[in-house]
Amino acid sequence: GQNIDQPTEMTATEGAIVQINCTYQTSGFNGLFWYQQHAGEAPTFLSYNVLDGLEEKGRFSSFLSRSKGYSYLLLKELQMKDSASYLCAVLSNDYKLSFGAGTTVTVRA
Amino acid sequence: IAGITQAPTSQILAAGRRMTLRCTQDMRHNAMYWYRQDLGLGLRLIHYSNTAGTTGKGEVPDGYSVSRANTDDFPLTLASAVPSQTSVYFCASSEDSHQPQHFGDGTRLSIL
Repeated sequence: GQNIDQPTEMTATEGAIVQINCTYQTSGFNGLFWYQQHAGEAPTFLSYNVLDGLEEKGRFSSFLSRSKGYSYLLLKELQMKDSASYLCAVLSNDYKLSFGAGTTVTVRA
Repeated sequence: IAGITQAPTSQILAAGRRMTLRCTQDMRHNAMYWYRQDLGLGLRLIHYSNTAGTTGKGEVPDGYSVSRANTDDFPLTLASAVPSQTSVYFCASSEDSHQPQHFGDGTRLSIL
C-alpha cells in the first residue's frame, strides 16, 4: 500500500517563497508527480521526478530524495493565482498513481 | 481543442438507481483512469485501463464497473447507487501508464 503525507494548509505572502513537503512510504517506486488544483477545477500536471535531485520549471521547482522517501515543491515569487491545492502523487511498481490529500496554499496580498 | 470530456457535469440521483458516467478523450492516449475525490481524502483510484480491451481495479473498486471497448471511451457505471458514492468523479488519461495524467473537469454526483 501507499502512505503519502503532506501538510493540510499553508499561507504565504505575495512575492514570497513557499515549500510544500511530501513524505511517502510505498510498495515500489516509479516516480513522483506534483499537480495543482484550483477550487472546483481539475488537477493539472506540474512536475515529475524519478531520479534524485531538483527539477526546475520557471517559478516552480520539485526535489526528490528516494532514499529518504521525500519530495518538496518550491513555489517562488508567489502570485495570487498560485492560491490552490497542490497534490503529491507517487507512481508505484504496478504503475498506479496514489495521491496525498493535498496542501491548500493561500497567497495573501 | 484536444482533451478529455466528462458527462454529465453534475447529477443528483436517487439511491438504488443505475448511473453511467461518460468519459471521452481525443488524444489517442493508451491509459485511462477513474478517480473519486472526497474532502480530506484526496483522489482515490477506482478503476483503470492501460490499453483498449483491458481494465484493472484500483484502490476503491467496489460498487463500480468499467469497460474499455475502444481507445477513446471509458465509461464508469454505478450498478445500484448508494449515498456513500456521493463524490466528485474525475476521469484521466495518459499516453502510457508512467506519463503525466490529464484530467477531465469532473462530475459532481450526489446520491440521495
